[in-house]
Amino acid sequence: QQQVKQSPQSLIVQKGGISIINCAYENTAFDYFPWYQQFPGKGPALLIAIRPDVSEKKEGRFTISFNKSAKQFSLHIMDSQPGDSATYFCAASNLGGSEKLVFGKGTKLTVNP
Amino acid sequence: DTAVSQTPKYLVTQMGNDKSIKCEQNLGHDTMYWYKQDSKKFLKIMFSYNNKELIINETVPNRFSPKSPDKAHLNLHINSLELGDSAVYFCASSPKGQGSAYGYTFGSGTRLTVV
Repeated sequence: QQQVKQSPQSLIVQKGGISIINCAYENTAFDYFPWYQQFPGKGPALLIAIRPDVSEKKEGRFTISFNKSAKQFSLHIMDSQPGDSATYFCAASNLGGSEKLVFGKGTKLTVNP
Repeated sequence: DTAVSQTPKYLVTQMGNDKSIKCEQNLGHDTMYWYKQDSKKFLKIMFSYNNKELIINETVPNRFSPKSPDKAHLNLHINSLELGDSAVYFCASSPKGQGSAYGYTFGSGTRLTVV
């Protein structure tokens, strides 16, 4: 059972465009939703995260939108740059429980110059 | 440098062998994890230790045995390696009590290839 579903699997965007990656979750006990960025040969690194008490969080060019009723959240990358080319993972956890992170299957983003 | 460091970075071995991967963190975190990333990039948790105590043990074959000699170290020993064990294994750590997801720091991974 895949608890966090992520789409699309791959995404190609032109420099300066908006990249949008979507995730949906099933477990209503999840209360923490981070996004991780992974470059080839490196471990995932925390990019931005949101709690369900807010509908949006912005950090620089990166924005998370969260829809609690739909059990969906998304990552928007504004003014996408070639340096943003990486694999992005959404994740979810229950901070009051085991706190383990459950990851989506990842989205490979390619930003063309 | 403060970090999570794993050794070795690459490991090529034959089926049936036994191998170990070592992980060390100098972040002062209480909780450490092993994640497996398969060829399709899917990340799945294997084990979690909090201050040397096993707290998460997913459905992993018992050929995999984690060991935490102290809270800064978490090693992974794999017996009787199989072709399907080929993957990238990531160690991670987090400050338990502040919400582990806040502070997950991953190592750079160990690429295990079983031939």
